[in-house]
Amino acid sequence: EAGVTQSPRYAVLQEGQAVSFWCDPISGHDTLYWYQQPRDQGPQLLVYFRDEAVIDNSQLPSDRFSAVRPKGTNSTLKIQSAKQGDTATYLCASSPFWGGGNQDTQYFGPGTRLLVL
Amino acid sequence: GDSVTQTEGLVTLTEGLPVMLNCTYQSTYSPFLFWYVQHLNEAPKLLLKSFTDNKRPEHQGFHATLHKSSSSFHLQKSSAQLSDSALYYCALSDRSNTGYQNFYFGKGTSLTVIP
Repeated sequence: EAGVTQSPRYAVLQEGQAVSFWCDPISGHDTLYWYQQPRDQGPQLLVYFRDEAVIDNSQLPSDRFSAVRPKGTNSTLKIQSAKQGDTATYLCASSPFWGGGNQDTQYFGPGTRLLVL
Repeated sequence: GDSVTQTEGLVTLTEGLPVMLNCTYQSTYSPFLFWYVQHLNEAPKLLLKSFTDNKRPEHQGFHATLHKSSSSFHLQKSSAQLSDSALYYCALSDRSNTGYQNFYFGKGTSLTVIP
């Protein structure tokens, strides 16, 4: 079974530039999560979807961040006008079918390392 | 609110000695607890997950016991191996009365095993 894939793997920006991260979850997983992992810290949940619906985006840092999952499969996380404080690894994870008994287990992608200069 | 605490940031052990990484939590509901392992430049991978029936999960020689009375889920292994060197994250998942899930990761413990 293919794992969670993410692209790009690395991104370097100047402050003020925009960037988008793409995630393809494991096939059949209806729940998708985006995490921010600053250097030397644990992952911090930003937003998660069940199918195409946003379930919780209360931890998205500001209106500079947005995430969509229009068809309930792939997802895009976008940062408008990046700041140095956004420097982190952005992880995508997915979980199996809600109600299937294993919905709490998350499978992570390799992440995108973002450096904002 | 909910939270996960890992008291040790860095742990260095000699190969063959026992491993114990601490994890305590606060949760409003009935959570699942997890241990994830993250090797250098890789994504976190699930190591263990708590069971609802109090069974002790085990994987790759690691085990952890959920103690609800002390809100702990410490990770243990009887004999450390060099390949165990990695970042270990304790994580919590619970579900509110409305059905929404909450997820929290601890700050992580960096384990280094030396010969």
